[in-house]
Amino acid sequence: DTAVSQTPKYLVTQMGNDKSIKCEQNLGHDTMYWYKQDSKKFLKIMFSYNNKELIINETVPNRFSPKSPDKAHLNLHINSLELGDSAVYFCASSPSSRAGYTFGSGTRLTVV
Amino acid sequence: GESVGLHLPTLSVQEGDNSIINCAYSNSASDYFIWYKQESGKGPQFIIDIRSNMDKRQGQRVTVLLNKTVKHLSLQIAATQPGDSAVYFCAENIGGGSNYKLTFGKGTLLTVNP
Repeated sequence: DTAVSQTPKYLVTQMGNDKSIKCEQNLGHDTMYWYKQDSKKFLKIMFSYNNKELIINETVPNRFSPKSPDKAHLNLHINSLELGDSAVYFCASSPSSRAGYTFGSGTRLTVV
Repeated sequence: GESVGLHLPTLSVQEGDNSIINCAYSNSASDYFIWYKQESGKGPQFIIDIRSNMDKRQGQRVTVLLNKTVKHLSLQIAATQPGDSAVYFCAENIGGGSNYKLTFGKGTLLTVNP
């Protein structure tokens, strides 16, 4: 069983398109996150949700809209994709208290 | 700017040698640190963590050392194996309660030569 699963694994799309990435965790964790990893491997937090409630929004453009239908799911919708959005996006989850994150395997987004 | 950084971006070792990966942090309020391993094409994987009330913690072949005086964290890998080749990140806890988030350092690429 995959603890944190993301789909799709690869996504190639043209500039201006709208796309979504889905994430599901079966760990029973209360908190979920989206991270962006750039070409230099730098990992930066984008959003966190705790029990479906948005907690952290790290000055991400409005084109990025997370949605959490329930605490096991956190999806990421991106409007009007730009070349600079090309990166690997990781979903993660953690218990509500201080603990390590469990990461998904990532979605490599390429905007052409 | 980011408060977590690494001294060495790359590290190359011979199989069987011990590896030491270093990390500096600047937020003196951080109280929880984690080391992650990221293999090519995969997500970061938890290796070991340490809380600020400790200065050393050991796992299987790995040891994390925390020096709060100089805000320094290190990961020691004993008898490094080819399977240890990956990018290693230190991460620092910032915030509390539901605002808890991990801030990651830049990463060190470890290459193990057979």
